[in-house]
Amino acid sequence: DGGITQSPKYLFRKEGQNVTLSCEQNLNHDAMYWYRQDPGQGLRLIYYSQIVNDFQKGDIAEGYSVSREKKESFPLTVTSAQKNPTAFYLCASSTAGELDTDTQYFGPGTRLTVL
Amino acid sequence: AQTVTQSQPEMSVQEAETVTLSCTYDTSESNYYLFWYKQPPSRQMILVIRQEAYKQQNATENRFSVNFQKAAKSFSLKISDSQLGDTAMYFCASRSYNTDKLIFGTGTRLQVFP
Repeated sequence: DGGITQSPKYLFRKEGQNVTLSCEQNLNHDAMYWYRQDPGQGLRLIYYSQIVNDFQKGDIAEGYSVSREKKESFPLTVTSAQKNPTAFYLCASSTAGELDTDTQYFGPGTRLTVL
Repeated sequence: AQTVTQSQPEMSVQEAETVTLSCTYDTSESNYYLFWYKQPPSRQMILVIRQEAYKQQNATENRFSVNFQKAAKSFSLKISDSQLGDTAMYFCASRSYNTDKLIFGTGTRLQVFP
């Protein structure tokens, strides 16, 4: 079954700890994205990657880091520098560079709560 | 910079009726895409429909259709024969051809009543 998986579904973290959210896709998509969703707001882009070993900051990258060592994986680390990390995090992927099919498809999300 | 505005925080409709969700956007680009995504209580974002700005014909996907008014920068979603399973948050989004960034509106919460 092709798709995007995110784990864990729920994650709890103590203040001052780093935590890593997993995102894996088997759609053979080149591009991957991380979004943050807060109540009453739309999704905001944290980081994105169009190709392995390359990634760019989105609109709210401060306090986050990513890596893209494999095409199918794009983990997001929420560091202790992120001031308000409690949120719902969504990963997405798309076929970059192909205009007709360049739609982003989303994983099921991870709810992060900082205690 | 691109912006997307959804002015209806909440809408409700009776089952089998038709409802229209509004979306306006602002962009200086000439080539771009527009999208409607649905987020049910499971919180998975599901693509409902997409529209390429260069196409004059409005996109349709089964019970979902859009009214794309390029000059007015308006992109409304019409849901016909509403079903209980349509209950969800609906997000409008835009993306220009030369960027991977999706710009989202703040969403409209749709409740379908039996």
